[in-house]
Amino acid sequence: GAVVSQHPSRVICKSGTSVKIECRSLDFQATTMFWYRQFPKQSLMLMATSNEGSKATYEQGVEKDKFLINHASLTLSTLTVTSAHPEDSSFYICSARTSSYPTDTQYFGPGTRLTVL
Amino acid sequence: GQNIDQPTEMTATEGAIVQINCTYQTSGFNGLFWYQQHAGEAPTFLSYNVLDGLEEKGRFSSFLSRSKGYSYLLLKELQMKDSASYLCAVRYMDSNYQLIWGAGTKLIIKP
Repeated sequence: GAVVSQHPSRVICKSGTSVKIECRSLDFQATTMFWYRQFPKQSLMLMATSNEGSKATYEQGVEKDKFLINHASLTLSTLTVTSAHPEDSSFYICSARTSSYPTDTQYFGPGTRLTVL
Repeated sequence: GQNIDQPTEMTATEGAIVQINCTYQTSGFNGLFWYQQHAGEAPTFLSYNVLDGLEEKGRFSSFLSRSKGYSYLLLKELQMKDSASYLCAVRYMDSNYQLIWGAGTKLIIKP
């Protein structure tokens, strides 16, 4: 149980385009999902907390108009990187929080490696 | 701030035992998680501690001392596939369900 999928796993796009990443909890409902970014050999950086049916909460320094988050259902959250630039190239990982024991455990999707040319 | 401290890198030998420590600030503590992350992959959940003591799961065990703000992850009978980063994360009260993450300990297993 507690499986999270994430699509696409890898994307290469041109500068200025938008990229949409989907995160799904497959066998549990997740009222809260999280979006992280991780640069090579660095730790996880929380970008935003996504709550079903309400606006996402963004961490300081993360542009909400650039990283659009939609948590439309209890099993799906999407992250759209708008007008992507090479500096947005990174490993984006979502996680979904479970309310069953251990409470607040985050289960991660496999990640999306974004390369902006 | 709520700093989570763990060693940057450790090296151990295949078949041996290794202990990875994690210290955190105790005020508002409400649970501690350990995750494993292989290079280029997402983290996977290993263990959870909220009460003092040892939680054993096969070759992996995790210990917690709430009064000392201290936890460790113990890996026994090390295998080459255990080479990975190990992340310590703490849940604090009133945290909007967020976890505070340590920077991770890169474990290198040598034959």
